[in-house]
Amino acid sequence: GENVEQHPSTLSVQEGDSAVIKCTYSDSASNYFPWYKQELGKRPQLIIDIRSNVGEKKDQRIAVTLNKTAKHFSLHITETQPEDSAVYFCAASKTGGSYIPTFGRGTSLIVHP
Amino acid sequence: DVKVTQSSRYLVKRTGEKVFLECVQDMDHENMFWYRQDPGLGLRLIYFSYDVKMKEKGDIPEGYSVSREKKERFSLILESASTNQTSMYLCASTATGTGVYEQYFGPGTRLTVT
Repeated sequence: GENVEQHPSTLSVQEGDSAVIKCTYSDSASNYFPWYKQELGKRPQLIIDIRSNVGEKKDQRIAVTLNKTAKHFSLHITETQPEDSAVYFCAASKTGGSYIPTFGRGTSLIVHP
Repeated sequence: DVKVTQSSRYLVKRTGEKVFLECVQDMDHENMFWYRQDPGLGLRLIYFSYDVKMKEKGDIPEGYSVSREKKERFSLILESASTNQTSMYLCASTATGTGVYEQYFGPGTRLTVT
C-alpha cells in the first residue's frame, strides 16, 4: 500500500518568514495530493490540493509543488502570519475506485509574532 | 455547506465497556471514514465505508467494528474498550463521481478509557 513520509514534524518560524513542509510517497500510481490544516481544537480542513498532471499550484500565500519522478510534494507558505500556526497534514491517494487517502504524520507549524 | 457531526465531543468510559461513536453527514456522500488521531502518529484509518452496509478495514481495525445502516450515518463501535483506545476519533466523508475528493471532517470525539 501507499506510504507517506512528512518532514519536519515541528517547524518554528518568525512572522513574515517562509515555511516549507515536505512529503514523499511510495506508490507511483497515486495521482491526488491534498493538504489539510488543523488549528488547535478544530477539525482538519482542506487548504490546497494538486493532481499529478500539474507541477505547481498557488493560492495567495500558499503553494504546492509536485515532483512525480522523485515522488515528493511540498507545501510552501510565504509571509507567514500567527494565524498560520496549526498542524498541517499531507496525503496521497489514487482517485480511481475507492478513494482512500494515506496521510503523513503531520507538521506542527509555529509562527512567532 | 457540508456538515459532519459527531455524537459527542468528549466521552469517558471504563475498561470493558461497549462504546458507540456516531457520525452523521448531510451531503449525501457515499464514502465515510473513521480515523484515530494520536500525537506524532497523524491520522490513521480504522474503517471506511463506500455504501450502505458496505465496510472495509483500514490500517488499524483491531478492537473496532463499524455499522452503516443508512447512507448518512456511520457508527464506530468499541466492543470492549481498553485504555490503549484512549484517543481522538475523527469521522470524515467524501463524495464520489464528482471529481471532488475533499474530505469533510467532523469535530472529533475525545475518548478517555479509564
